[in-house]
Amino acid sequence: SYVLTQPPSVSVAPGKTATITCGGNNIGSKTVHWYQQKPGQAPVLVIYYDKDRPSGIPERFSGSKAGNSATLTISRVEAGDEADYYCQVWDTVNDQGVFGGGTKLTVL
Amino acid sequence: QVHLQESGPGLVKASETLSLTCNVSGASISSSYWTWIRQPPGKGLEWIGYIYYTGTTNYNPSLRSRVTMSLDTSKNQFSLNVRSVTAADTAVYYCAKSPPYADWGQGTLVTVSS
Repeated sequence: SYVLTQPPSVSVAPGKTATITCGGNNIGSKTVHWYQQKPGQAPVLVIYYDKDRPSGIPERFSGSKAGNSATLTISRVEAGDEADYYCQVWDTVNDQGVFGGGTKLTVL
Repeated sequence: QVHLQESGPGLVKASETLSLTCNVSGASISSSYWTWIRQPPGKGLEWIGYIYYTGTTNYNPSLRSRVTMSLDTSKNQFSLNVRSVTAADTAVYYCAKSPPYADWGQGTLVTVSS
């Protein structure tokens, strides 16, 4: 089955830029979605179809894809951005959803 | 706005069947994909499976032998059954609409007791 690989943790100072990667074989051929999850809460969609932002998500959140990786970038990081972030794709071969293992973003 | 709400027992005995229902408002389940996702305590998200409005299903291969999903269009809800549960099935269970998953339930913790 398809596997998505994320770094377990990323740390960033307030006001700086955080980048969270999501690797997968031939991920360029798939659409990637990103979710933010704060403790005790359900995940929230922050980026869909690689780079689109749902309404209400700050412009500081952006998505991109290159080669075998997708990237979630959070600019001008704030304390409130501290959360777990998950990438997700659709495995078309097996017709199923796949989540990355998640990345814990710590704001220093 | 779509609202999803999970319901079901919070405690299930090992070897028995976990049964959850997701009540949907603000959208008809007679369209779209309806999905179950779970998250063991302290761990990541695991996709369990979907049921399409036509009744077509697909499940995570790791759970396929124990999982069944169904729709009840008269109540606008869909359900999850996981048979022969063990402690490894202890998790917060979420229902969600489609991918991308813009709409989620709040989640419900199910603990499997021995």
